[in-house]
Amino acid sequence: DAKTTQPTSMDCAEGRAANLPCNHSTISGNEYVYWYRQIHSQGPQYIIHGLKNNETNEMASLIITEDRKSSTLILPHATLRDTAVYYCTPLNFGNEKLTFGTGTRLTIIP
Amino acid sequence: DTEVTQTPKHLVMGMTNKKSLKCEQHMGHRAMYWYKQKAKKPPELMFVYSYEKLSINESVPSRFSPECPNSSLLNLHLHALQPEDSALYLCASSQRGSDTGTGELFFGEGSRLTVL
Repeated sequence: DAKTTQPTSMDCAEGRAANLPCNHSTISGNEYVYWYRQIHSQGPQYIIHGLKNNETNEMASLIITEDRKSSTLILPHATLRDTAVYYCTPLNFGNEKLTFGTGTRLTIIP
Repeated sequence: DTEVTQTPKHLVMGMTNKKSLKCEQHMGHRAMYWYKQKAKKPPELMFVYSYEKLSINESVPSRFSPECPNSSLLNLHLHALQPEDSALYLCASSQRGSDTGTGELFFGEGSRLTVL
């Protein structure tokens, strides 16, 4: 399984864009990049995933580099409710074994 | 209905007790999961059931015994636990491995277990 490297923690001002990087240099060709977040005392929540094209949904945007070795999750207008731990994880679509790295603790500052 | 429901939300048990954690989903998902999460750590995968059969066991001690009575229910039977087993136990379900959906996991809110 591919391993990931994420900053331990980040701060972002409320209303600004939060950009969370993830390095997954050993990702294989059929692995998607999935992002989840976990708000304190809740279960993890799916945010977005992508293979090689940039993706956007109602929650966030995902930018994947051309070589697929890294990606950035973008929360365009961060709110206090976005304070959470954010996990990126490469995963083959047919693989049931989703594991989490250490993640990034994002704190949104009022 | 996109919910995964876990009961109980909190459980306190002694080391000689036998208890069970329950998880239910009605999304028709084929895969169900148990994760264990210690404070300030990421969730750790314990078990995966696929089509009601155990497909992944991450070398979990036998004092944790999973059971999948049907496609909507997942239990985790607990016996002779240790204080270090105190943690948040998360259940999840997904439609992974099929052609439908995004392959995402839907998580419950967790059962917080304290072993005295």
